[in-house]
Amino acid sequence: QVQLVQSGSELKKPGASVKISCKASGYSFTSYAINWVRQAPGQGLEWMGWISTNTGNPTFAQGFTGRLVLSLDTSVSTAYLQISSLKAEDTAVYYCARVGEMATISLDYYHYMDVWGKGTTVTVSS
Amino acid sequence: DIQMTQSPSSLSASVGDRVTITCRASQSISRYLNWYQQKPGKAPNLLIYAASSLQSGVPSRFSGSGSGTDFTLTISSLQPEDFATYYCQQSHSTPMFTFGQGTKLDFK
Repeated sequence: QVQLVQSGSELKKPGASVKISCKASGYSFTSYAINWVRQAPGQGLEWMGWISTNTGNPTFAQGFTGRLVLSLDTSVSTAYLQISSLKAEDTAVYYCARVGEMATISLDYYHYMDVWGKGTTVTVSS
Repeated sequence: DIQMTQSPSSLSASVGDRVTITCRASQSISRYLNWYQQKPGKAPNLLIYAASSLQSGVPSRFSGSGSGTDFTLTISSLQPEDFATYYCQQSHSTPMFTFGQGTKLDFK
């Protein structure tokens, strides 16, 4: 079945880096982009960035540019999120999500997150 | 940047109630609006895309409407499994996305 499997929980100290993986299966990996979304404890969803699995080109939300690296290994259908210079405020659950696409007759393209990983908990604490 | 504002932030209702959640965009986004449901400790689940298209497998009691800046998610007859938090999300500025702050639906 179509699924995204994320790597396990991480405990990091402030200033360290973390790299989370998101392995896709059940579909053609390079046919759908991947979004990364995080959720701090008790808070809402925050979109962090997108990566085209065709070109490897990333786009980042304001506030994340410079600390975030999005990458791919298409040979193993896996996307990666790396965050550097971690702060306590980065403590959150991080989700990867497949970006589905619907095209209309008039060539409007609608994008939505139709398959999600279960999330990876990152705790930043000294 | 496009901002998304949901109302109310929280809502209490009973099984069988008709419930409506509103989402407003800071500028026109046509019909580039999606709705998600999230239960505690779980990943979000896509309900509605392109403002009114029901995702496969989602019960028909869920419906979406709107275009431009104002959108609604309606649950026609609330079921026990519908108590959750709901988020709208714009995709007008793809590959940039924005979520609303969420609406928590709990039991009255």
